[in-house]
Amino acid sequence: DTQMTQSPSSLSASVGDRVSITCRANHDIRNYLSWYQQKPGKAPKLLIYGASNLETGVPSRFSGSGFGTDFIFTINSLQPEDIATYYCQHYDNFPRTFGQGTKVEIK
Amino acid sequence: EVQLVQSGAEVKKPGESLKISCQGSGYSFSTHWIGWVRQMPGKGLEWMGIMYPDNSETRYSPSFQGQVTFSADRSTSTAYLQWSSLKASDTAMYYCARHRVDRATVVPFDIWGQGTMVTVSS
Repeated sequence: DTQMTQSPSSLSASVGDRVSITCRANHDIRNYLSWYQQKPGKAPKLLIYGASNLETGVPSRFSGSGFGTDFIFTINSLQPEDIATYYCQHYDNFPRTFGQGTKVEIK
Repeated sequence: EVQLVQSGAEVKKPGESLKISCQGSGYSFSTHWIGWVRQMPGKGLEWMGIMYPDNSETRYSPSFQGQVTFSADRSTSTAYLQWSSLKASDTAMYYCARHRVDRATVVPFDIWGQGTMVTVSS
């Protein structure tokens, strides 16, 4: 199985800060990586696919980059409504796997 | 509007069987792979597998192979996840989700159901 290692597991930042989350695959997954946002008590929501493509309707302060094994998810100018847990997921092969999640809080 | 609507919460005893549902609307149900994701209380997301409703082709995660069964009824645009004998460790929220592009497998989930909470307790 392809293992996805996400870091940090949690972070605390101020409104307006830029925050970044990394996701590393244990082998090459090309750009078959997505990022999801999950707010408490809600289903996950797709934010980024193909490592760097913003899903329709998602604010432009969210972005993704990377290829191969190392990926970065960034929130430019953190907003109060961005409080959530963020997950990466690969879809290069079976089984698909998720990262462990990063909980983002406001300082 | 494209949506997936899941059946309500369930409380079951160990050893009982269960089938939960996920009804799609607003899109071509038969030609989008649909998957299931488990989230145990306070934990992360686990990919269980996917199914193609048009021909019932499935891909199970090895972690769930033999533990659950996927099925679908194209006439009602409904996908199902079932257990034949529940365990306490099956207690979790279960989400269904649709592949973003029809007929494609190498794509992420884009539309998610609201989740079905399954509690297994004696």
